[in-house]
Amino acid sequence: EAGVVQSPRYKIIEKKQPVAFWCNPISGHNTLYWYRQNLGQGPELLIRYENEEAVDDSQLPKDRFSAERLKGVDSTLKIQPAELGDSAVYLCASSWGGNGQGLTDTQYFGPGTRLTVL
Amino acid sequence: LAKTTQPISMDSYEGQEVNITCSHNNIATNDYITWYQQFPSQGPRFIIQGYKTKVTNEVASLFIPADRKSSTLSLPRVSLSDTAVYYCLVGARPGRRALTFGSGTRLQVQP
Repeated sequence: EAGVVQSPRYKIIEKKQPVAFWCNPISGHNTLYWYRQNLGQGPELLIRYENEEAVDDSQLPKDRFSAERLKGVDSTLKIQPAELGDSAVYLCASSWGGNGQGLTDTQYFGPGTRLTVL
Repeated sequence: LAKTTQPISMDSYEGQEVNITCSHNNIATNDYITWYQQFPSQGPRFIIQGYKTKVTNEVASLFIPADRKSSTLSLPRVSLSDTAVYYCLVGARPGRRALTFGSGTRLQVQP
């Protein structure tokens, strides 16, 4: 079974340019997450989707970041315009979502997109 | 969410058992303890999860004392391929909520 797919794997842009990341979650997974990971640190959540609905976007810098998950499957994260401090690895993860009965809901991560802003 | 404290780094040799301890003094009654592993250029990977006493799977064991204020991830007979960053996370199930990662423990296994 294919895991979480992300593209591109690497992206180098100049500051003030736009950039977009794409994520295809594991088939059947209802919950999708975008995390940002800075060098030497753990990932931090940017946004979480339950199907098509963004249920937690409190950490998303909404002045320049946007995300969408059309049809509750693939998702796109966009930055416009990019700043030097946005250089990081952007990770997408997905999980089944469980059935509300307290079952373990393991998150599966993609390989990430390494963004370098010059 | 309960804050966790882990050693920044650890060194070991192939074939040894490695124990990584995580402190979580403010763990709540309904919190579970989860460990993830991350290799360079990859996303984190789930290793093990537990609530109390001991949990064992094909990869690792998780020991949780009665007071649950700490936990220990045990990796038996490590190999070079176990060199990675290990994250301890504490939170309530179900796991659909976002994970709060710390800086993790960087394990370096030497030949």
